Formats: sequence, structure tokens, C-alpha cells
Amino acid sequence: NAGVTQTPKFRVLKTGQSMTLLCAQDMNHEYMYWYRQDPGMGLRLIHYSVGEGTTAKGEVPDGYNVSRLKKQNFLLGLESAAPSQTSVYFCASSKGTGSTEAFFGQGTRLTVV
Amino acid sequence: KNEVEQSPQNLTAQEGEFITINCSYSVGISALHWLQQHPGGGIVSLFMLSSGKKKHGRLIATINIQEKHSSLHITASHPRDSAVYICAVPHYGGSQGNLIFGKGTKLSVKP
Repeated sequence: NAGVTQTPKFRVLKTGQSMTLLCAQDMNHEYMYWYRQDPGMGLRLIHYSVGEGTTAKGEVPDGYNVSRLKKQNFLLGLESAAPSQTSVYFCASSKGTGSTEAFFGQGTRLTVV
Repeated sequence: KNEVEQSPQNLTAQEGEFITINCSYSVGISALHWLQQHPGGGIVSLFMLSSGKKKHGRLIATINIQEKHSSLHITASHPRDSAVYICAVPHYGGSQGNLIFGKGTKLSVKP
């Protein structure tokens, strides 16, 4: 079982460039999330989706966009990367709300120079 | 919003020692998660518990709902247990369903 797969695993961007991070899950989960992890801070929610075709903002959504055209995929886009977006990004999925087990991807380490 | 506090932030132990990591939260919850993150690695779910105690191998997680406190214990610690351990609780309000995370406890077990 693949679980949750994120691509790419590493990326270096120049300020102003754009990119898309892909998250794919094969567990038929309804809920999917994008988090960022920064030194000295807990993971913070960027955007989330409670089902195919739906997305919503989390705690730190500025500078990011998302799409969930297919149930198994959740894309995170950076339209114009900034150094403040240097972080490790994690995708997660779950069958239901926070009282169900969450499954995480391996993370994407993004550096914006 | 639920606040999650973990202690200690950093922990160094000798192989074989008994380890305890603590987590406290501010708002009543229906479940609490313990997660493990190895250096440069992904995040893996260790436990999800809503009451009492759960055990998996050398890892034991306990929760006291009344005191809003949970502990993760590692018996007979081993260098391969070196990782960041993260406590998380559900976010309540709205339909988000996401988790609120502690800052993590970095554990280093020396041989």
C-alpha cells in the first residue's frame, strides 16, 4: 500500500517562481490537508479539503492555492514563491475528522532563494 | 482553539533507560494522537487514544481526560527510538477535521 505520496521530495525555487506540490492517497479518504512545518513551531494548517471539489483555508493560507479535482489528489500551488515559504510541507489524509487516524506523506522540503 | 504543550522539548537518554514525554491540552477532546518523525523523514502515527492506556511493543501511551494530560512512555529505549515525538489533538469548530500539533519532543538515545 502506498498510503500518502508526495511529489517532489525536494525543490529549490527562486523568488517569484511558481510550483505545484502533488499529494496522492490510495485509501479513499474524504479529508485531505496541507501543513507546513517550521523550526520551533508545530505543524500549521495551510488548506484543507473535506471532499472532492471542495477546499477551504486553514491557519496560514496566504500565498498558497489548492485544488481537489479528484478525490485521491490534493494539489498545493505557490503562484509567486517568497523566502518566507521556505519550509517542509506535509500532506495528510484521514477517513473523517480529527478523531480518526491521520496518514502523512514523507514531506517536501522547499527552499526559496 | 486548543493549545497543546509538550515537555520536555529535548531529551537525551542512555540506551535502556525508561523515557516519558508529556502532553497537556487546554480544551476537552475526543481523541489524542501521538506521532513519530525520524530525522529527515515523514510522520507516522503511533497511537490514537481517547481513554486509558494503549501499548505497542515498547511504547505505551496513557491519557487522563479529566486532567487533560497524556504521556508517552518508551521502555528499554534504543538508539533507533531517536526521533521527534509529536502530540496532536483535533481542532474543534467548523468542519475542518484537522489536528492541532504540539511543537514536538526531540529524543536522542545514546548507545
